[in-house]
Amino acid sequence: EAQVTQNPRYLITVTGKKLTVTCSQNMNHEYMSWYRQDPGLGLRQIYYSMNVEVTDKGDVPEGYKVSRKEKRNFPLILESPSPNQTSLYFCASSWGRANYEQYFGPGTRLTVT
Amino acid sequence: SQQGEEDPQALSIQEGENATMNCSYKTSINNLQWYRQNSGRGLVHLILIRSNEREKHSGRLRVTLDTSKKSSSLLITASRAADTASYFCATDPQGTSGSARQLTFGSGTQLTVLP
Repeated sequence: EAQVTQNPRYLITVTGKKLTVTCSQNMNHEYMSWYRQDPGLGLRQIYYSMNVEVTDKGDVPEGYKVSRKEKRNFPLILESPSPNQTSLYFCASSWGRANYEQYFGPGTRLTVT
Repeated sequence: SQQGEEDPQALSIQEGENATMNCSYKTSINNLQWYRQNSGRGLVHLILIRSNEREKHSGRLRVTLDTSKKSSSLLITASRAADTASYFCATDPQGTSGSARQLTFGSGTQLTVLP
């Protein structure tokens, strides 16, 4: 089954404790991205990757890091989480950027206290 | 940055009625997509309509695009309780290329279909 998986689905952590949210897709997509969703603000893109070892900033990259060492995986790293990073995070993949449908993961609800 | 804005923000209808949601955007686009999101879950792609298309259908869904008014509408006919979800439009702005060409999402319309 074609899918995007994210782990963990729920995470409660404390300020400053480094964390990684994993994302994996099994569709051989070249393009992957991370979004955060906050009430009233819609989805905002954090980072995206056009292919292995190619990543770039989205609209709200501050406080986040990503890596793309393999085509299928695109982890999101929060080196020093802060409460304003409490949000619902989605990973997505597709064949291209804006002209192809995006396949979304189930989401990771992160709470930083 | 947000490009599309959905209207209304919330819509409540009875099962069997039609639901219409609108999306307005500011700059010219290459294409526009609609997505559905069930509460707290990932978005699911519904339809992609290109700038040279005026209308597309998929099952009970009908999407129209009016590039002169910079707006799109999503019509769900004969709605069901299972259609209860948030609906988002996403635009691919024209005039951007390379790393700047990204899909931008609106804030969504929350549709509630009452049984």
